[in-house]
Amino acid sequence: DQQVKQNSPSLSVQEGRISILNCDYTNSMFDYFLWYKKYPAEGPTFLISISSIKDKNEDGRFTVFLNKSAKHLSLHIVPSQPGDSAVYFCAASVETSYDKVIFGPGTSLSVIP
Amino acid sequence: DAGVTQSPTHLIKTRGQQVTLRCSPKSGHDTVSWYQQALGQGPQFIFQYYEEEERQRGNFPDRFSGHQFPNYSSELNVNALLLGDSALYLCASSSGQGALGYEQYFGPGTRLTVT
Repeated sequence: DQQVKQNSPSLSVQEGRISILNCDYTNSMFDYFLWYKKYPAEGPTFLISISSIKDKNEDGRFTVFLNKSAKHLSLHIVPSQPGDSAVYFCAASVETSYDKVIFGPGTSLSVIP
Repeated sequence: DAGVTQSPTHLIKTRGQQVTLRCSPKSGHDTVSWYQQALGQGPQFIFQYYEEEERQRGNFPDRFSGHQFPNYSSELNVNALLLGDSALYLCASSSGQGALGYEQYFGPGTRLTVT
């Protein structure tokens, strides 16, 4: 039973438009959420995180939204750039504990020039 | 400044064998975490080493063990390999009690294939 789900395996977006990557979770104990980006042949890179006490966190072109009642979070990338093409992982944890972090299966984003 | 390095890049082993994977953390980092990423899935936390001791452990059997050396480098050992152990093994380094995510850097991984 997947506790963190990313139901879209892939997504294509035109350069300059908004990319929206979605993530759903089932465990109501999760209180810390993260997004990672992974290029081929490289390890994941931390992008942005959000605590359950917030519903939005912004860092440059990246914004994460959290809807606790729906157990849903999303990552918005505006504007999308070709260099954003990568696999994006959503992750959730309890109390920022490494041993309690659960990753989703990832969404492959392609930004078309 | 070299980031996190892992060796070997690829490895093929036979079921029942034992394997050792190696990781050198980013300069200045003293904490090493290991993850298993099966095909089509996200990384799964195996364990974390700090001050040469296992500090946290995920839901993995005792066949998975590790070690951290005084220079902070680390090894992941897997005994009695199963076909299901085939995966990309990622190492990540961070500093001390750093928060999850921030200041954590991943290596490119070791691709293990068990036949």
